[in-house]
Amino acid sequence: DADVTQTPRNRITKTGKRIMLECSQTKGHDRMYWYRQDPGLGLRLIYYSFDVKDINKGEISDGYSVSRQAQAKFSLSLESAIPNQTALYFCATSDPLAGAYEQYFGPGTRLTVT
Amino acid sequence: AQSVAQPEDQVNVAEGNPLTVKCTYSVSGNPYLFWYVQYPNRGLQFLLKYITGDNLVKGSYGFEAEFNKSQTSFHLKKPSALVSDSALYFCAVRDRGSTLGRLYFGRGTQLTVWP
Repeated sequence: DADVTQTPRNRITKTGKRIMLECSQTKGHDRMYWYRQDPGLGLRLIYYSFDVKDINKGEISDGYSVSRQAQAKFSLSLESAIPNQTALYFCATSDPLAGAYEQYFGPGTRLTVT
Repeated sequence: AQSVAQPEDQVNVAEGNPLTVKCTYSVSGNPYLFWYVQYPNRGLQFLLKYITGDNLVKGSYGFEAEFNKSQTSFHLKKPSALVSDSALYFCAVRDRGSTLGRLYFGRGTQLTVWP
């Protein structure tokens, strides 16, 4: 897990505030992903990026934006946080050269919007 | 459409007994299949994967999974459960023919092993 780090690990914010979650990786992978986890719903894909110039929406991108600042950094922003964005957020990476596209996850950021 | 179903939200088993966590999948082509485990306050850890070849795949911590193409299933198994196996388990699938490389996850199964 140390290869993929996320900051902050926990965050409490108020409705309407802008917040950024950051992800860094030392695995040298081109592909990076942001997921959110809600109890009973599993992991849902928010955004994914194949390289610095290639960013794609996932299944639940509304209310979120991302920035791929470098190969190693992929940030998720909530422009105006709302309570139903309270969730556990995970960053992940993968290496297509590995063949099977297994993903490696960071430790997660627990976000609470009050 | 690609999807994964984990029909049991919760599986309870006594330590030392065999365990099975079920997963069925739907993809338009041939699948890559994965199992991940999540311990409390931790990220997901990769357990094992099926790419091709033997239908029985062995992974970390003594876990194995059996790929059954006709039943579109990829059940996770362990011959003798440990209390430390208690965690949340996720099955995931990727369409081998897709260039997008994204995984589709099931909703997770909470495994509890009691002493």
